[in-house]
This record gives sequence, structure tokens and C-alpha cells, in this order.
Amino acid sequence: AQSVTQLGSHVSVSEGALVLLRCNYSSSVPPYLFWYVQYPNQGLQLLLKYTTGATLVKGINGFEAEFKKSETSFHLTKPSAHMSDAAEYFCAVSENNDMRFGAGTRLTVKP
Amino acid sequence: GAVVSQHPSWVICKSGTSVKIECRSLDFQATTMFWYRQFPKQSLMLMATSNEGSKATYEQGVEKDKFLINHASLTLSTLTVTSAHPEDSSFYICSAQPGQHRAYGYTFGSGTRLTVV
Repeated sequence: AQSVTQLGSHVSVSEGALVLLRCNYSSSVPPYLFWYVQYPNQGLQLLLKYTTGATLVKGINGFEAEFKKSETSFHLTKPSAHMSDAAEYFCAVSENNDMRFGAGTRLTVKP
Repeated sequence: GAVVSQHPSWVICKSGTSVKIECRSLDFQATTMFWYRQFPKQSLMLMATSNEGSKATYEQGVEKDKFLINHASLTLSTLTVTSAHPEDSSFYICSAQPGQHRAYGYTFGSGTRLTVV
């Protein structure tokens, strides 16, 4: 069975600073990994995903994530935070057409 | 891209009444849809998997008689909260996979905020 752990329920950065949101997973098969963003009172929007191939994947809004099998990690980064990045971020893993989510990380961006 | 439409976006109902939430895949067919519940500042909790033409599969602890799911067509799944009570107040989100393979990931509806008074 798969599971996802997001370290840090709340991350606060200054505008223009690096964003790093951590995600570790466990999976019994090669995982498909996803990052979603959720704005208040909205559904989830896909930021990026890793399925196969290149381990560094780029997504929307300047975000990227790197799949590291040896570390079972899929951390999300953005070089320079923008105020509009403030939201809830969820890491997810898909194993057998069944997606499981991490607990989420709330990103706050300070002016 | 694949779009999932969820309606209504918010609803207030009286205790004891029933509420129906619709989830539609607008530009793809979805044999399977998923219903989640989300409490404030928490992650998504999978309630059930909705299967077109057959019974839904409920997660452990979810009352199937309380949360009725119908998936009568390839583009529509509905969740009915029966005899709603204040503790059913929550944010409900549906999703669907716009392809046969898990690599597609899920496309989510915009969610429904249910408040039972």
C-alpha cells in the first residue's frame, strides 16, 4: 500500500524567497507522484506530476519537483515565491488507480 | 484539458433534510469517479469510489445509507447526503481520472461547501 508524508503542515516564506515543500512516499510499485494546489473553497489543481522518464519535472506557475528514488522523496520547489502562491499544497501518490494524499502543507508568503 | 464540474458550490440545508451534489465530467467519459470529504485545515479523505453502472465502493467507516452515490452515466455521479445533521457539514470534492491509466492523475471538481443548520 502507498502512503505519503508531508513534512511541515505550515511553511512561511518571504516574497522572493525559495519555496521548498517536502514530500516523502512509500509504494510497493513504481510510483506515480503528483503535486496539487488548493486555494480556499476550491478544488485541487494539478501543479505537476512524475510518471516515468526525467526525474526533474516542471509544472505550472514556476514550480518544479524532483523524484529521488533513493530518498523516496518528491519535494516541490520554486526559486522565488510570489504572494499568489499562498495556498494549500498536497502531495499524492498513485499506485493501482487509487490516489492517496498527504496531509497538506499550507504555504504563507509574507510581503 | 479535462474538466470536472461540481454543483452546487455551496448549500445550506436544515437538519433532517437531504442534499444532492452533482459531479460531471464535461469533456471525457469517466467510468470511475471519487468522492472526498475535507475538514477545515485537513487533507482529503476518500469516502467512496463511484462506478458507472454498478454499486459504489465505500471506504471503511463511511455509512453507505447516509451517503448515497449514483453513477448512472459515463459523465455524471451524484452524492446524496441523507437526513443531514450538523456533523455532516464539510467540504465535499469529487474527482475523475480522464484516461485509463493512472498516469493521468485526477481532475477535481471545485468542491461543495455543505452547511447543515
